Amino acid sequence: NAGVTQTPKFQVLKTGQSMTLQCAQDMNHNSMYWYRQDPGMGLRLIYYSASEGTTDKGEVPNGYNVSRLNKREFSLRLESAAPSQTSVYFCASSPRFGNTEAFFGQGTRLTVV
Amino acid sequence: GESVGLHLPTLSVQEGDNSIINCAYSNSASDYFIWYKQESGKGPQFIIDIRSNMDKRQGQRVTVLLNKTVKHLSLQIAATQPGDSAVYFCAENRGISGGYNKLIFGAGTRLAVHP
Repeated sequence: NAGVTQTPKFQVLKTGQSMTLQCAQDMNHNSMYWYRQDPGMGLRLIYYSASEGTTDKGEVPNGYNVSRLNKREFSLRLESAAPSQTSVYFCASSPRFGNTEAFFGQGTRLTVV
Repeated sequence: GESVGLHLPTLSVQEGDNSIINCAYSNSASDYFIWYKQESGKGPQFIIDIRSNMDKRQGQRVTVLLNKTVKHLSLQIAATQPGDSAVYFCAENRGISGGYNKLIFGAGTRLAVHP
């Protein structure tokens, strides 16, 4: 019962460095999402993949790119990290796009110094 | 590790009491309203949802009330237990032209249950 697995759990980057956050789900869900969580702001959608082979921008896509590698995996890439990208990142999946019950991973705490 | 903000409104209750967590929403066009629970160091977990054409929905120990007149949503937890301590988020499922639906999350309320 792994559900949604994110790696790494913690990461510290220097400004300008790049990195990829990995996400995999084993529930055969069609849709996957990346959110960021900042203090006092709830969760904001960065990118989503409604189904395998498609990706689209969410509310706050600037500075990020994504890849839906296959049905299981959806990665988030920071090409040139900035301090404003310090946040907790959550990957989620749902059986179909827009389904109200999304299943979340445990999060990646990213600090950019 | 802690994954939510330091300045969230906090509701403190005694174990065994009923809890009511409130949320205001902005968009009358949202078709579903959802409550999520987030425990420290974990991702959000779905609790219950309610369709916009309903006023009330009950789950196990939880009830969600929707007042569309004042755009208000509440989550009632009966007989609150220490395991209910968490941050609770309301979310709207909002449809946008082009068929895109997305979950819009509120900032959250911290529930602290005291023995």
